[in-house]
Amino acid sequence: GAVVSQHPSWVICKSGTSVKIECRSLDFQATTMFWYRQFPKQSLMLMATSNEGSKATYEQGVEKDKFLINHASLTLSTLTVTSAHPEDSSFYICSARDLGLNTEAFFGQGTRLTVV
Amino acid sequence: AQKITQTQPGMFVQEKEAVTLDCTYDTSDQSYGLFWYKQPSSGEMIFLIYQGSYDEQNATEGRYSLNFQKARKSANLVISASQLGDSAMYFCAMREDPYNTDKLIFGTGTRLQVFP
Repeated sequence: GAVVSQHPSWVICKSGTSVKIECRSLDFQATTMFWYRQFPKQSLMLMATSNEGSKATYEQGVEKDKFLINHASLTLSTLTVTSAHPEDSSFYICSARDLGLNTEAFFGQGTRLTVV
Repeated sequence: AQKITQTQPGMFVQEKEAVTLDCTYDTSDQSYGLFWYKQPSSGEMIFLIYQGSYDEQNATEGRYSLNFQKARKSANLVISASQLGDSAMYFCAMREDPYNTDKLIFGTGTRLQVFP
């Protein structure tokens, strides 16, 4: 089946710095990818829809200037958490679907971000 | 209003027994898809089963089956012959209007614990 790879799997950074998370579709092209955030013991909340070659679409309440999304190719989307603060500590996970093959969305392994 | 409701925060089941995880949904779309994902402690999201709104038969995938009752807007997951490795969080999700959007809306999840 389709594979989505996310990197890094965990990262610790200092407050005020920026962190980039990559999401790659390994064996299919994804014009659209999705970024979710999951706080401990909570559900996945959609943050934004990453569109190849155009601006991302952000969900209500998500700061687009803080969570920069770039989808420069059909196999790669990046999420950059800018000027990170401890409250940004969370589990970030991306997903994509091979429209020509699968009904379900495949998820990356997730990135656990800790801001200290 | 919640789009996806999972009323069981936690469930216990003995190994080799069957267990049902509840999920109700709310949508005005005629075309939609329902999914179940498993999330072990490692954080990855593992696709289990899919049910399309127009599918007349309940979906089955190995030990997983989906009890789809459209009129009641419920999509319960049945796991037969539970195994210790089934212990994890289980999320029900919905994709509304699949021809115009690909994003998933998740429920709050049910933590399943299988004991010997």
